[in-house]
Amino acid sequence: ETGVTQTPRHLVMGMTNKKSLKCEQHLGHNAMYWYKQSAKKPLELMFVYSLEERVENNSVPSRFSPECPNSSHLFLHLHTLQPEDSALYLCASSPGLAGGRDIQYFGAGTRLSVL
Amino acid sequence: KNQVEQSPQSLIILEGKNCTLQCNYTVSPFSNLRWYKQDTGRGPVSLTIMTFSENTKSNGRYTATLDADTKQSSLHITASQLSDSASYICVPGPSNQAGTALIFGKGTTLSVSS
Repeated sequence: ETGVTQTPRHLVMGMTNKKSLKCEQHLGHNAMYWYKQSAKKPLELMFVYSLEERVENNSVPSRFSPECPNSSHLFLHLHTLQPEDSALYLCASSPGLAGGRDIQYFGAGTRLSVL
Repeated sequence: KNQVEQSPQSLIILEGKNCTLQCNYTVSPFSNLRWYKQDTGRGPVSLTIMTFSENTKSNGRYTATLDADTKQSSLHITASQLSDSASYICVPGPSNQAGTALIFGKGTTLSVSS
């Protein structure tokens, strides 16, 4: 295991539902990330938090809402999603903001299907 | 525009054989390059990370090379095993301390058969 735990592993939701993805890291890292991975496409950075402050928001639709209550936990709140939002959502953490030699440690991901 | 091109897109080899995966990138300014292994349905796992001044880095049967002048990197896998079946992702990093602009390639899907 990488020390980054994501729950749930699989999620099926309707377009009118509200759900949340959870990520927890046990590595003492200061930075946490949300990525989206769609089929046949590279990982897309969604949000970055450093010491619980959001430092990056890559033009993500407002139907995705992140929350970082402390440096060990990261949430992604979902509401009124579209079918094209179906993807693997990956959480990662790193000691610092992954510059230089900082390595990102990824969770196993949440496979999301929007019906 | 920052881009990453990986080749081949997919590869099938027999167990025990060697293979080399390629990565060409146009990232400027350039700071470091990472290779990740991603098993199906799992998150990526770091294999190697090299700064622009390093030419080669090994991790067991995995050896990465980097030519920062030609903006090319390769990942060589020696004596492949069935567990090497995965997607291998090249990730060049620009020279910023934020690290928020890591550029992920689409990956090469490797299948090792017995």
